[in-house]
Amino acid sequence: QSALTQPASVSGSPGQSITISCTGTSSDVGGYNYVSWYQQHPGKAPKLMIYEVSNRPSGVSNRFSGSKSGNTASLTISGLQAEDEADYYCSSYTSSSSWVFGGGTKLTVL
Amino acid sequence: QVQLVQSGAEVKKPGASVKVSCKASGYTFTGYYMHWVRQAPGQGLEWMGWINPNSGGTNYAQKFQGRVTMTRDTSISTAYMELSRLRSDDTAVYYCARPISPFVVVTAIDYWGQGTLVTVSS
Repeated sequence: QSALTQPASVSGSPGQSITISCTGTSSDVGGYNYVSWYQQHPGKAPKLMIYEVSNRPSGVSNRFSGSKSGNTASLTISGLQAEDEADYYCSSYTSSSSWVFGGGTKLTVL
Repeated sequence: QVQLVQSGAEVKKPGASVKVSCKASGYTFTGYYMHWVRQAPGQGLEWMGWINPNSGGTNYAQKFQGRVTMTRDTSISTAYMELSRLRSDDTAVYYCARPISPFVVVTAIDYWGQGTLVTVSS
């Protein structure tokens, strides 16, 4: 199972919006609505931000939203804040009853 | 509250095995799958596999098949991940992690252990 494809880095200024893409195949992202997104600050465990493509867990800001089209899922962060600077990972359930992560995207808030 | 408490850091020589434990509390241990995920220094997250604590059934990532064994002891609500024939590139933080919903493997991971650093060095 190959890792999902994410851009290595994205950046934006405070208040702006950014989108991180996550591309897989019909055996993972395209085949199931079980895509999730995680935020990870240095030295910390990942934090779930989005599950099942577009659902936010309780306590996660509504500035975070998710979507999917075909084999590509996306995470959008609006109204960027300094605290959003972190690594972001997508993940998808697969046809092998397994999970696969993306390579991760480093978000820099300028 | 849900807690996953992992065993402490380990230093191993190449070719050895390591066994990491993950003690769960605050929920019904047998009701939720348990995943294992690792992260090498400066690298991304890598899914290793899951165990169904109720049945003991497992599913391992192809990359680790033959080297990884996931087990559990329901009497003490503890899951284990053993990795054998260690190599230097197995140096990583290993996490146990629990999904949002019970009884199904398809739901996202919501709770993470604190991580266990395994260093493989001669």
